[in-house]
Amino acid sequence: HVQLVQSGAEVKKPGASVKVSCKTSGYTFTGFYMHWVRQAPGQGLEWMGWINPYSGGTNYAQKFQGRVAMTRDTSISTAYMELSRLRSDDTAVYYCARDDIYQEPLTSLPKNWFDPWGQGNLFNVSS
Amino acid sequence: DIVMTQSPDSLAVSLGERATVNCKSSQSVLYSSNNKNYLAWYQQKPGQPPKLLIYWASTRELGVPDRFSGSGSGTDFTLTISSLQAEDVAVYYCQQYNSPPFTFGPGTRVDIK
Repeated sequence: HVQLVQSGAEVKKPGASVKVSCKTSGYTFTGFYMHWVRQAPGQGLEWMGWINPYSGGTNYAQKFQGRVAMTRDTSISTAYMELSRLRSDDTAVYYCARDDIYQEPLTSLPKNWFDPWGQGNLFNVSS
Repeated sequence: DIVMTQSPDSLAVSLGERATVNCKSSQSVLYSSNNKNYLAWYQQKPGQPPKLLIYWASTRELGVPDRFSGSGSGTDFTLTISSLQAEDVAVYYCQQYNSPPFTFGPGTRVDIK
């Protein structure tokens, strides 16, 4: 049974950084890209980027370039997303979401549709 | 960036009736070399993460009931729920994955009339 379990809610001050974890189980962690998507309160969905857990390669949406870092620890099948220089408009639920299709070869590009998703982390950025 | 729009913003349909959600992209998401439309549909219930329903515009994800179907090509797409069930009350999003950043529509809320 595939599971993506994210760390808990966070409250942060503007200018701070936050690092979210996404612990996976039930599948081969290095075989599927991991994406991060956020959803501001009452708003739609916004793709932030992906990481290839096999190679560590990343691709970030231009909007987040320079502020986001996606990493992974293959020994514990966990992906991480760190967002720095937080602003109030970063308040959102942050989801990890697995690429739906196994990558073969492991260096091929992701399919870029997402299933399953983690349960989400709420970041509240407030002074 | 490719801008995705959806219509209507919300709709209410009687149980057992058809629900139709429309999605439009600002540029074609049809990739000519493989004749595939790079479009997916998701369902999000309150307090839950989104769930994938359809990819390649019309391919149902494993386990998704066959009352859900997707159609369209190029810039205009439709998600149809052929016979609405109570458990289908949710917000539905389309997403293009033709070119990054991969963008979503604003969502369509589907309720029971």
